[in-house]
Amino acid sequence: NAGVMQNPRHLVRRRGQEARLRCSPMKGHSHVYWYRQLPEEGLKFMVYLQKENIIDESGMPKERFSAEFPKEGPSILRIQQVVRGDSAAYFCASSPGAGGVNTEAFFGQGTRLTVV
Amino acid sequence: GNSVTQMEGPVTLSEEAFLTINCTYTATGYPSLFWYVQYPGEGLQLLLKATKADDKGSNKGFEATYRKETTSFHLEKGSVQVSDSAVYFCALSAGYGGSQGNLIFGKGTKLSVKP
Repeated sequence: NAGVMQNPRHLVRRRGQEARLRCSPMKGHSHVYWYRQLPEEGLKFMVYLQKENIIDESGMPKERFSAEFPKEGPSILRIQQVVRGDSAAYFCASSPGAGGVNTEAFFGQGTRLTVV
Repeated sequence: GNSVTQMEGPVTLSEEAFLTINCTYTATGYPSLFWYVQYPGEGLQLLLKATKADDKGSNKGFEATYRKETTSFHLEKGSVQVSDSAVYFCALSAGYGGSQGNLIFGKGTKLSVKP
C-alpha cells in the first residue's frame, strides 16, 4: 500500500515560470491537504480539497496560486509566475475522510521548489 | 485564533539524556494535539497524538500528556538515541469534524543527539 506520493521531489524554476506540483493520495483517501514550509519555519496550511471540490482555501495566497483535485488523477498545486519568495518545501497530506478525530492524515515527502 | 508555540531549538543532547520539548497552544473548543517528526530530507511522520484532556500519547519511548489546565502538550523521552535526531513539530487540529488534515503547526524544534 503506497503512501502519499509527491512529484517531483525537487523542482527548479526561473522567475516568471510556472510550477506544477503533483500529489497522489493514499489508496482510498479522498481528502487532500497542501502545506508550505518556508526555511526555518513550521508548516502552514494552504488548501483542503476533496474530489472536484475546494473545501477550504483560506491559506492560499490570493494571486498566482491555485489547486485542484480532479475526479481522476492526482491533486495539482499550480504556481504561476513564480518569484523567489515561493521557494519552499510543499507538502501534501491525505486522509480517508473528515469523520472525526481519529482520521489520521498521512504526509508525502514533499516537493522542494527553488526559484532562481 | 488557534496557535501553537513550541520551544526554539536547536536542542543538543548526549545519548541517553532526558528530553523535554515544550509546547503550548491556544485554541477555541477542544482540539486534538499531535507531535510530528521530520527526519532530514523526509516528510512528516505522526509520532503521537492525544484527542482529549488528560490523554497521554506515546510511541517509540516518547510521551506527551494533554494538559487542558495549562494548555500544554510537552514531549518527553527518558533516554534519547542518536537516531532520534530530527525536527519535532507540535500541532493541533483546527476543525472539520476533527479531521487531522487541517493542522496548525509550531515552528519546530531541531534535536541533535551526540554519541
